[in-house]
Amino acid sequence: DSGVTQTPKHLITATGQRVTLRCSPRSGDLSVYWYQQSLDQGLQFLIQYYNGEERAKGNILERFSAQQFPDLHSELNLSSLELGDSALYFCASSVASGRGGTDTQYFGPGTRLTVL
Amino acid sequence: AQSVTQLGSHVSVSEGALVLLRCNYSSSVPPYLFWYVQYPNQGLQLLLKYTSAATLVKGINGFEAEFKKSETSFHLTKPSAHMSDAAEYFCAVGSGNTGKLIFGQGTTLQVKP
Repeated sequence: DSGVTQTPKHLITATGQRVTLRCSPRSGDLSVYWYQQSLDQGLQFLIQYYNGEERAKGNILERFSAQQFPDLHSELNLSSLELGDSALYFCASSVASGRGGTDTQYFGPGTRLTVL
Repeated sequence: AQSVTQLGSHVSVSEGALVLLRCNYSSSVPPYLFWYVQYPNQGLQLLLKYTSAATLVKGINGFEAEFKKSETSFHLTKPSAHMSDAAEYFCAVGSGNTGKLIFGQGTTLQVKP
């Protein structure tokens, strides 16, 4: 158990819908990262938040957005869902900002999103 | 730009045999390198991390990796495979001024009895 929790574990929805994925980082960790894992794209970095502020952005679609709240939990919002958005979405957390990739990231169990 | 290449999407070994999973990286700055393991229907678990303190890094479950700058490699090894090692393994490099990790495509390790 990494100490990172994600809810829900599974999500099945229809095209065009909007969903929210939730992540609680390990106690004391200030950074939260979101990754998408799919068969064709592999593991792709989406976005990082550090202490409530957006720190880095990766291959995140405009239909997707995220935020980190004062209690440091984070939510990833996916809207206007398409079939291709079906994937496993991981949240990870680390102690600090991770500058230079120095911080160890601890991963949650993931949320499996299926868009029908 | 940093990148990671894992050679071989599938590796099959017999129980008790040497495990060798290959990873080559590209980085314009001294890299931070990681190996993660993903068991079926689970998240990623850190096996080991290279931070330039030592070129041979020991991790959990008997795994180790050697950083070779001249070869830009960070291969993962284990002397004797166990059935429980069957999983997907990912090599990753830390990126620039953020905590972003860039992952390789992964290698699925099969262990035969």
